[in-house]
Amino acid sequence: SQQGEEDPQALSIQEGENATMNCSYKTSINNLQWYRQNSGRGLVHLILIRSNEREKHSGRLRVTLDTSKKSSSLLITASRAADTASYFCATVGLTGGGNKLTFGTGTQLKVEL
Amino acid sequence: ETGVTQSPTHLIKTRGQQVTLRCSSQSGHNTVSWYQQALGQGPQFIFQYYREEENGRGNFPPRFSGLQFPNYSSELNVNALELDDSALYLCASSLVRAGTGIHYGYTFGSGTRLTVV
Repeated sequence: SQQGEEDPQALSIQEGENATMNCSYKTSINNLQWYRQNSGRGLVHLILIRSNEREKHSGRLRVTLDTSKKSSSLLITASRAADTASYFCATVGLTGGGNKLTFGTGTQLKVEL
Repeated sequence: ETGVTQSPTHLIKTRGQQVTLRCSSQSGHNTVSWYQQALGQGPQFIFQYYREEENGRGNFPPRFSGLQFPNYSSELNVNALELDDSALYLCASSLVRAGTGIHYGYTFGSGTRLTVV
């Protein structure tokens, strides 16, 4: 089963605008990760934020984590057409499961020229 | 440094048949995980192998089985295929340092698209 929901399901913006995607999850976590997927192919790891962190940056990416609300957001600044892809959040739980990733349902981002 | 490679890239099978999907882990990685991604959904964890033994399993029936070899490559076998098994199957490898349980360098392959007709 999916860990939670991502919001919005689909997002269409113009090149240069910022894109924000939200992720909610259900159980306590060790860390939360964001992945990108182009056209139903492999997943590319973007960024990992640990449960004791609140914000993390990597290039044009900014991730926040609110463990009290069990939610995270991914901000992509100054978007480019090449950012068009599906974005997934994935959590790693506190115990057991062999560090499996539990994915959300994904946000489809389309960046138009 | 090589990435994670999966074969084949596409496969069409008939309901009731058996299928074997293959994955070569990234160099230096000792753990492999398999995920199933149905169209329009997020990936779902099938199972994980560490030191050639299953180390965690998701909510999948026993007809989904796997192997990890001494060179850390892996196979996913699915018996008695059903139409709902049609999906993208993703393999991911990582390095787990003994005694820590911490995964480093979680890397996904490009997947195998399985269609069951």
